[in-house]
Amino acid sequence: KAGVTQTPRYLIKTRGQQVTLSCSPISGHRSVSWYQQTPGQGLQFLFEYFSETQRNKGNFPGRFSGRQFSNSRSEMNVSTLELGDSALYLCASSHGHVGSREQFFGPGTRLTVL
Amino acid sequence: AQSVTQLGSHVSVSEGALVLLRCNYSSSVPPYLFWYVQYPNQGLQLLLKYTSAATLVKGINGFEAEFKKSETSFHLTKPSAHMSDAAEYFCAVSDSSGSEKLVFGKGTKLTVNP
Repeated sequence: KAGVTQTPRYLIKTRGQQVTLSCSPISGHRSVSWYQQTPGQGLQFLFEYFSETQRNKGNFPGRFSGRQFSNSRSEMNVSTLELGDSALYLCASSHGHVGSREQFFGPGTRLTVL
Repeated sequence: AQSVTQLGSHVSVSEGALVLLRCNYSSSVPPYLFWYVQYPNQGLQLLLKYTSAATLVKGINGFEAEFKKSETSFHLTKPSAHMSDAAEYFCAVSDSSGSEKLVFGKGTKLTVNP
């Protein structure tokens, strides 16, 4: 079974630009969560989508948004990029049912904002 | 609100020695607890999880953890360290709600000396 895939793996943008990251979950998984990892703040939850609906959201500004498609693939978008948005963005997928509680992580997208 | 504290951002052991990585959690509801490992330039891999079944949980690669409610702890141990165990380890907590959101500790970087 193929794992979680994220594209692109590396991305360089300049301040003020916007970026879209993509995540393809494991086949059959309906929940996709996004996390931001930085040296200073560690791993922080961005949001979770389940069956195309946002089920939970972390404490990030509105510049961070996401969506999920009918095939469970998910995208996250960051508008008006700031230097502090430089991070590793990780996507995780799971079945999403109460009791499953096992998330599988992708390799991440390394975003650098110049 | 849930939180996780990992004592020691860096731990160094000799090959063959006991590995002990500490994790304390705070949760107002029965928690789900996890240990993940991250190798350089990779995503997170689940080592083990506690979901209110047995308090001693065995995971992959010889790791295990014991849930101690009275101490709000979930420490990770391995009897004999191997060079390949060198990585960063994250403890995480999730609540029993319908969301998959994970709250992570700051991580502990494990170094294994020959």
